[in-house]
Amino acid sequence: GAVVSQHPSRVICKSGTSVKIECRSLDFQATTMFWYRQFPKQSLMLMATSNEGSKATYEQGVEKDKFLINHASLTLSTLTVTSAHPEDSSFYICSASRNLGNEQFFGPGTRLTVL
Amino acid sequence: ELKVEQNPLFLSMQEGKNYTIYCNYSTTSDRLYWYRQDPGKSLESLFVLLSNGAVKQEGRLMASLDTKARLSTLHITAAVHDLSATYFCAVAYQGAQKLVFGQGTRLTINP
Repeated sequence: GAVVSQHPSRVICKSGTSVKIECRSLDFQATTMFWYRQFPKQSLMLMATSNEGSKATYEQGVEKDKFLINHASLTLSTLTVTSAHPEDSSFYICSASRNLGNEQFFGPGTRLTVL
Repeated sequence: ELKVEQNPLFLSMQEGKNYTIYCNYSTTSDRLYWYRQDPGKSLESLFVLLSNGAVKQEGRLMASLDTKARLSTLHITAAVHDLSATYFCAVAYQGAQKLVFGQGTRLTINP
C-alpha cells in the first residue's frame, strides 16, 4: 500500500508554455500533498503544501502565480508551471500523506525540461 | 528556521568497509527519516525514527536517533556496491507536517 504516481514522468516544453503535472495516491486517500523541486545534484526543496479542498500554502520565495497547485480530491493534486522558462527546468517530486503529521509517500518524480 | 546538515557530502569507500553518515539538525523534532535516491529516481524510504534512542536496522544499514544531541546516524556495515546511491535525512517540523531535507550524501562504493 501507499503508492503515489506522477504523470508525466518526463516533459519537454518550449519557453512560455504551461505544463501540468499530476500526482495521484493510488491506494489511499491523501489529506495532504506536498510538492518538491530538486535541481541536479542538490537536495529537495519544499515548494508548497496542499490540503484537499483548500488553497495551497507556498514556501517563502515560491511564486504562487507561477506554480499553480490544485488539490481537487483526496487522490489527486496537480502542479501547473505557467509560462515556463529554462530556469524552471528541474525534477519535481510530489508526496502524499494520509493525515496531518503522518509519513509522506513519494511519487516517482517528473523531469521538466524547458527549452 | 530548521536547518539540517549532513556530513560527509561525498563518500567514496571500498566494499567491505564500514562507515557512518551524520545528520545534525538545529531545532527540536521528534521524527526523522532516512531516504535513498538512485540517479534519476525518486526517494525510497529507508527508516523512520520516532523517539530518542531509536535504532533501526535493515540489512547492512542501521540508523539511530539522539534527540537530545539533535543527531542521527546512518551506519553502513561491510558495504557492497549495490549500496551506492545518495542518502538523505529529513527532519519533520511544524507538528511533523513538513520535512526539511539535508544536503544529501553521495555514496560511491568501489569493488
